[in-house]
Amino acid sequence: DAKTTQPNSMESNEEEPVHLPCNHSTISGTDYIHWYRQLPSQGPEYVIHGLTSNVNNRMASLAIAEDRKSSTLILHRATLRDAAVYYCILRDVSSSNTGKLIFGQGTTLQVKP
Amino acid sequence: EPEVTQTPSHQVTQMGQEVILRCVPISNHLYFYWYRQILGQKVEFLVSFYNNEISEKSEIFDDQFSVERPDGSNFTLKIRSTKLEDSAMYFCASIWDRGDYGYTFGSGTRLTVV
Repeated sequence: DAKTTQPNSMESNEEEPVHLPCNHSTISGTDYIHWYRQLPSQGPEYVIHGLTSNVNNRMASLAIAEDRKSSTLILHRATLRDAAVYYCILRDVSSSNTGKLIFGQGTTLQVKP
Repeated sequence: EPEVTQTPSHQVTQMGQEVILRCVPISNHLYFYWYRQILGQKVEFLVSFYNNEISEKSEIFDDQFSVERPDGSNFTLKIRSTKLEDSAMYFCASIWDRGDYGYTFGSGTRLTVV
């Protein structure tokens, strides 16, 4: 499984944008880029995913580099409730893959009031 | 919004006892997964399940573990003889298709083995 690299931690101020980076230099053509977050004492929560083009949804935006070797999760206005561990995960959708997710350590985002 | 429901939220059991963790995936989903997270550690894949059979299992998923979907709605994880090191959060997840979709996770069962 292709791996991702994320900073261990980041800080942000409330109501400011947050850019969470992820490197995935060994990404393959069948890998989707997924982002999940885990609030304290809760299960992982789907945030967004994409393949090649930038994606927007109600929670966040995903900016994908042209060569797909890196991506950035953008929270447009951080709130205290966005404090969580954010995971960038490559998911192989080829027919031979069962679709399991391989979690790394993620980025722990602290949001300061 | 549809949810994956897990019960119980917290289970305490004595070492050597059997436990069954229950999950109700989203109704039209076809792929089901169990993950676990030991306190302070990464979320780890345990097993994937599709078409009423295990499609992949990790090294953690030894003979003490089993899964089944007994009635088309519930998806259960059984640990036959619990050990202290089985203490962890256990998460169930489901997805409709392995393609262009995100996974839905349950809120987890905290298993404490004493």
